[in-house]
Amino acid sequence: ETGVTQTPRHLVMGMTNKKSLKCEQHLGHNAMYWYKQSAKKPLELMFVYSLEERVENNSVPSRFSPECPNSSHLFLHLHTLQPEDSALYLCASSQTTGGTEAFFGQGTRLTVV
Amino acid sequence: SQKIEQNSEALNIQEGKTATLTCNYTNYSPAYLQWYRQDPGRGPVFLLLIRENEKEKRKERLKVTFDTTLKQSLFHITASQPADSATYLCAQPQYNNNDMRFGAGTRLTVKP
Repeated sequence: ETGVTQTPRHLVMGMTNKKSLKCEQHLGHNAMYWYKQSAKKPLELMFVYSLEERVENNSVPSRFSPECPNSSHLFLHLHTLQPEDSALYLCASSQTTGGTEAFFGQGTRLTVV
Repeated sequence: SQKIEQNSEALNIQEGKTATLTCNYTNYSPAYLQWYRQDPGRGPVFLLLIRENEKEKRKERLKVTFDTTLKQSLFHITASQPADSATYLCAQPQYNNNDMRFGAGTRLTVKP
């Protein structure tokens, strides 16, 4: 266990559904991240939060909406997704945003039908 | 923008041999590079970090080098074992340090 927990592990949703992915860390880290991993493609950074403030949004479509209510929790709210959004969504945390190792969760395997 | 290339999608080696994986980058040299291991269906796990002023870093059977002239990092696993079979990712920060970019990874298979 890395200390970063993601739920659910698997999610199947229709294109008109609304769902949320949850990430929790109790490592005392100040930075949290959402990554998308599609088959045969590099990890794509989606969002970066530092001390609960969003510091980076890598041109992610608005159908993905992050939320960081406190330093231990990070959510990714999903609505009106497309089949091409099907991927492994990974949450990570690190002590700070620069120069430190990232601890990843197990990921949520999302399938949009 | 910065590109990170892991030029082998897959690498197969025999148990006991040394595996060498390559990570090349374009444009500017990052202040550090990280290497991660990822098993199927799981998140990446951090292995090693090497800074630009370090030529080499070791951890047990792992060794990482960083050549800013060649714009390259090499990752070595000595005395490889079937349990080392996994995908290995290199990562480096973008200039703003908030954005860690990852290579596509190299899938290593160690055959008994």
